[in-house]
Amino acid sequence: KAGVTQTPRYLIKTRGQQVTLSCSPISGHRSVSWYQQTPGQGLQFLFEYFSETQRNKGNFPGRFSGRQFSNSRSEMNVSTLELGDSALYLCASSPSGTGWLAKNIQYFGAGTRLSVL
Amino acid sequence: AQSVTQLGSHVSVSEGALVLLRCNYSSSVPPYLFWYVQYPNQGLQLLLKYTSAATLVKGINGFEAEFKKSETSFHLTKPSAHMSDAAEYFCAVTRDQKVTFGTGTKLQVIP
Repeated sequence: KAGVTQTPRYLIKTRGQQVTLSCSPISGHRSVSWYQQTPGQGLQFLFEYFSETQRNKGNFPGRFSGRQFSNSRSEMNVSTLELGDSALYLCASSPSGTGWLAKNIQYFGAGTRLSVL
Repeated sequence: AQSVTQLGSHVSVSEGALVLLRCNYSSSVPPYLFWYVQYPNQGLQLLLKYTSAATLVKGINGFEAEFKKSETSFHLTKPSAHMSDAAEYFCAVTRDQKVTFGTGTKLQVIP
């Protein structure tokens, strides 16, 4: 099975621009979560989508948004980029189902490294 | 609410020495606990998981962790460090897909 795929791997943007990141989960996984990783703040949860609906949300401003498509692929958008948005953005998918395994283990992609100049 | 504390943002060990990475959790109910490893320029990879079936959990690459409820700890150990173990390690508490990660511990292995 192919793993979680994130594109692009690297991005350079300037302040004020907007950016869209893409995540393709493992086949059959319906839950996709997004995280921001920075040296200062560590791993911070952005949001989670399940069956095209946002199910959980972290404490990030409205400039950060996401969506999920019917094939479970997900996109994350950041508008009006700020220097502090420079980070590694990680996507993780989880198996479908109701057991604890489905609810709690996450499989991560390699991330998209965003640099805002 | 649940939280995770990892003591030591950087740990250095000599090749062949014992690796001990500390993780303490706080949770109002018994949690599911995980250790993930992140190699440079890569995402996180599951190392091992605690599911309450056994207090001593064995993971990949020779790592293991022991769940101690009385100490609210889930420390990660490996008897003999290898150069390839150099990476960042994250402890995580999770329930119903609400995941809280620790701040991470970077492991340096000295030849």
